[in-house]
Amino acid sequence: NAGVMQNPRHLVRRRGQEARLRCSPMKGHSHVYWYRQLPEEGLKFMVYLQKENIIDESGMPKERFSAEFPKEGPSILRIQQVVRGDSAAYFCASSPRQGGDGYTFGSGTRLTVV
Amino acid sequence: AQSVTQLDSHVSVSEGTPVLLRCNYSSSYSPSLFWYVQHPNKGLQLLLKYTSAATLVKGINGFEAEFKKSETSFHLTKPSAHMSDAAEYFCVVTYISGGYNKLIFGAGTRLAVHP
Repeated sequence: NAGVMQNPRHLVRRRGQEARLRCSPMKGHSHVYWYRQLPEEGLKFMVYLQKENIIDESGMPKERFSAEFPKEGPSILRIQQVVRGDSAAYFCASSPRQGGDGYTFGSGTRLTVV
Repeated sequence: AQSVTQLDSHVSVSEGTPVLLRCNYSSSYSPSLFWYVQHPNKGLQLLLKYTSAATLVKGINGFEAEFKKSETSFHLTKPSAHMSDAAEYFCVVTYISGGYNKLIFGAGTRLAVHP
């Protein structure tokens, strides 16, 4: 079981470019969550998706950010027209069901905007 | 409202001495609580979880935590620190919003272990 796979591990983008972050959940997991970790802070919830559905995007910035989890393939977090303030570590987690049993996290994608 | 406070941003101990990482939570109902560890440039690993069973929870790598409802605390302890314990530790509380569980992370405690 490969665990939650995120790629790329590190991503550098210039201001105004697009960033695409990918997350492949654990086998058998149909629930995916994205979190953002700003420097010296804990993780903040961004969005919760099930296959082909966005369940809760209350933590997503209203503009430039979007997420999807298609029927086939990984979940994608897309940030358009990146700004320096988007520099952070973005973590994906997955779970087999919705519940309080804890989640399996990926190693994260560290986005640097220059 | 649910929240979690980690009282120390940095803790430094000597190898072989006890570790105490403090966490207080606020929840309007019986919460589920977790401790995660994050090693440098790595993902988060679940250390242990409390889900309303035994109040003393044992986790991996010799860590344990005690849920104290009267003190709204869930402190993480280990009798003897090892160099490999140096990492960032997050206390996490779950709450139900929109019919499902969400995680709230504390700001983290960075543990340094000295020889």
